[in-house]
Amino acid sequence: EDKVVQSPLSLVVHEGDTVTLNCSYEVTNFRSLLWYKQEKKAPTFLFMLTSSGIEKKSGRLSSILDKKELSSILNITATQTGDSAIYLCAVPGGSNYKLTFGKGTLLTVNP
Amino acid sequence: NAGVTQTPKFQVLKTGQSMTLQCAQDMNHNSMYWYRQDPGMGLRLIYYSASEGTTDKGEVPNGYNVSRLNKREFSLRLESAAPSQTSVYFCASSALFTNYGYTFGSGTRLTVV
Repeated sequence: EDKVVQSPLSLVVHEGDTVTLNCSYEVTNFRSLLWYKQEKKAPTFLFMLTSSGIEKKSGRLSSILDKKELSSILNITATQTGDSAIYLCAVPGGSNYKLTFGKGTLLTVNP
Repeated sequence: NAGVTQTPKFQVLKTGQSMTLQCAQDMNHNSMYWYRQDPGMGLRLIYYSASEGTTDKGEVPNGYNVSRLNKREFSLRLESAAPSQTSVYFCASSALFTNYGYTFGSGTRLTVV
């Protein structure tokens, strides 16, 4: 059974701090790892990672995959209150690409 | 706008009542999914439909049934609601054999009293 573990489960920081969120996975037939941000409603797509060591970047957010360690990190620099959200990590598994999600990291950024 | 539409957005049921959550997508996606989200639990897969005409159980299927009515629509039915089914439900869709991830609906907040 596919498994995704995220840490920490919750995190409180001050604006301007840098945070690192972790995701580890166990999946047969690895294809990719995805990061989502969830505010009030539905998750929104952030990154898809398929190759080790290649950083994906979008503004202050970046992510990298380590296939040897079966893990990924999501970094957010110079955090803002608008970064407050649940960050979800997911991996597709099986032949039908159904996603297995981790429990998420609840990030709270205080002014 | 193209996307995934879920109805209703909110619902309160009494224990034992039944209801159907509706989901429709207009992106010509083959695969559709129903997830539930509970505090601290992430998203857990209830049922999915890889393509029109097929449905399969996910991680937490007990107490639910689904129907893939056509390529666009995938409904989730609670036959006899229980308080343990109080949750936020998300429908999602994706193209088959893609690594692009899902497009999610906006969610249904269901409370069973």
